[in-house]
Amino acid sequence: QKEVEQDPGPLSVPEGAIVSLNCTYSNSAFQYFMWYRQYSRKGPELLMYTYSSGNKEDGRFTAQVDKSSKYISLFIRDSQPSDSATYLCAMSGGGTSYGKLTFGQGTILTVHP
Amino acid sequence: DAGITQSPRHKVTETGTPVTLRCHQTENHRYMYWYRQDPGHGLRLIHYSYGVKDTDKGEVSDGYSVSRSKTEDFLLTLESATSSQTSVYFCAISDRVSQETQYFGPGTRLLVL
Repeated sequence: QKEVEQDPGPLSVPEGAIVSLNCTYSNSAFQYFMWYRQYSRKGPELLMYTYSSGNKEDGRFTAQVDKSSKYISLFIRDSQPSDSATYLCAMSGGGTSYGKLTFGQGTILTVHP
Repeated sequence: DAGITQSPRHKVTETGTPVTLRCHQTENHRYMYWYRQDPGHGLRLIHYSYGVKDTDKGEVSDGYSVSRSKTEDFLLTLESATSSQTSVYFCAISDRVSQETQYFGPGTRLLVL
């Protein structure tokens, strides 16, 4: 079993839809939770960063972390065609882990006009 | 791409050939990482560096070595390339304050025939 599980999709939604992306994990030591967006043939770019449990909002994006359930989510409101990309969740234990990240497999999202 | 360059961007080589990939940063960040990205696996950490001449293994380090003689350069070497090392390789950097916030380079596509 992988430490981080992410539904690879693909996920296809109409423009304006609310998108929900999710990851589950098994390592209770994870404290830092990130979402990266990766456009085709590009490097991943950091989208959201959350420490411990709770919600964080940034424009149309909301990240949620539920450490008790070992479950994290990314919500995209009013999705746009420009949101079409692969979304990767990533996690880290912090402390002496030197920032080592464990990634999910990535979810391919397509938002069609 | 946050002042990160990778070279070469594309490479085709033959099995058994040594290959060196270079990551160069202009951000003066302390931490540097090498990941590989394969379908169904997301990104997996190969090696990382927490300072000049300070490196350690990641999740998938077999068959790879690294060196860091200057803050700005992190080299990944495949001593004897195998077809299983065909992949897209990404370099990432982070600073001492926020190790989990990593910035990725544009990637190197490597094909081992």
